[in-house]
Amino acid sequence: DTEVTQTPKHLVMGMTNKKSLKCEQHMGHRAMYWYKQKAKKPPELMFVYSYEKLSINESVPSRFSPECPNSSLLNLHLHALQPEDSALYLCASSPRDWGNQPQHFGDGTRLSIL
Amino acid sequence: GQQLNQSPQSMFIQEGEDVSMNCTSSSIFNTWLWYKQDPGEGPVLLIALYKAGELTSNGRLTAQFGITRKDSFLNISASIPSDVGIYFCAGLFIFSGGYNKLIFGAGTRLAVHP
Repeated sequence: DTEVTQTPKHLVMGMTNKKSLKCEQHMGHRAMYWYKQKAKKPPELMFVYSYEKLSINESVPSRFSPECPNSSLLNLHLHALQPEDSALYLCASSPRDWGNQPQHFGDGTRLSIL
Repeated sequence: GQQLNQSPQSMFIQEGEDVSMNCTSSSIFNTWLWYKQDPGEGPVLLIALYKAGELTSNGRLTAQFGITRKDSFLNISASIPSDVGIYFCAGLFIFSGGYNKLIFGAGTRLAVHP
């Protein structure tokens, strides 16, 4: 069982839809992350939030909009996505985004863009 | 930038055999992590290594942090069918400002024949 919970587990959307992915952790971690993972590839970092503030944006297109409403929740708002955005979107958390603490991952949202 | 070379890319072994995989880099890492990812799930942390030369075990798994801080290996002894999955090494790189970034290897895909 993972301590990072992601919903929904699967999402199918059209290119004109607006949807959101949600991530929740109750480990008291103050760093939260979004990753994108294509098939047979390692996860690629998209965004880092540290103490509810965006600290890293890895040049992600603006059709992906992250939000961190509080220390336990992380959202990823999706709008006007492209077929190549179909992937597994993983959320992770760690105690802080500095030092040597490992990141713990959720099970991801499998996103398909029609 | 920081890159990890993980090998082998894939392995197909008989149940009961031992397995070894490794990661190398031209960069120095402060922490080495080994994750396992099953189909439809997120990466699960197996072992974390924090000091050069450290050798750590977790059941049938043993991992070492290379003395040069540029490599790590993972051994699995007496493999069983549930060991099937993708194993990722990951190095935690700490930037001069103190924040860190997780760098993943390409993964080793393990198949176990009963």
